[in-house]
Amino acid sequence: GENVEQHPSTLSVQEGDSAVIKCTYSDSASNYFPWYKQELGKRPQLIIDIRSNVGEKKDQRIAVTLNKTAKHFSLHITETQPEDSAVYFCAANSGNTPLVFGKGTRLSVIA
Amino acid sequence: KAGVTQTPRYLIKTRGQQVTLSCSPISGHRSVSWYQQTPGQGLQFLFEYFSETQRNKGNFPGRFSGRQFSNSRSEMNVSTLELGDSALYLCASSLATGAREQFFGPGTRLTVL
Repeated sequence: GENVEQHPSTLSVQEGDSAVIKCTYSDSASNYFPWYKQELGKRPQLIIDIRSNVGEKKDQRIAVTLNKTAKHFSLHITETQPEDSAVYFCAANSGNTPLVFGKGTRLSVIA
Repeated sequence: KAGVTQTPRYLIKTRGQQVTLSCSPISGHRSVSWYQQTPGQGLQFLFEYFSETQRNKGNFPGRFSGRQFSNSRSEMNVSTLELGDSALYLCASSLATGAREQFFGPGTRLTVL
């Protein structure tokens, strides 16, 4: 089955700097790669997703890139703000297989 | 539309007891997935139901079971509780199975003493 590795487990950045979180997946059949943000005490919420027919997707300060050959995808947050502080989870699946999550990255944005 | 709801929000049980958690999906969503979240382990998939049928099952012991009703509401049951079952149990709903956005509920915090 699918296995998703996520790095780093913790990340601290200064406000205004960029943050990058990387994930690798094992199943070459995976074609859907969402990113979820979970603030303290809250439910995970989708912030961006990408499908395997696209190499990059942007939404304001957030972007995701996908390298199918290397089987890795990354989340990029530019101009970080204190409200970006949260735990971020990457995930992958294909067709009717379960969504498999990485173990999460705790991002702290220091003002 | 109302979001995904879960009841109860908090539960305290003792070892050996059993527990039932409930999840009401977003109206019109027919797929419900359950996850166990523990510190450092992320979200681990328990099972997925679609149209009252279990479509996928994660690597959890048989003490963990679930079901889905005709109105898409879902329940999960854990029997013979162990200390290691203490976790946040999240359910998520989506329109159908497959590669698509899942909407999470607030979770049920289970503490086993």
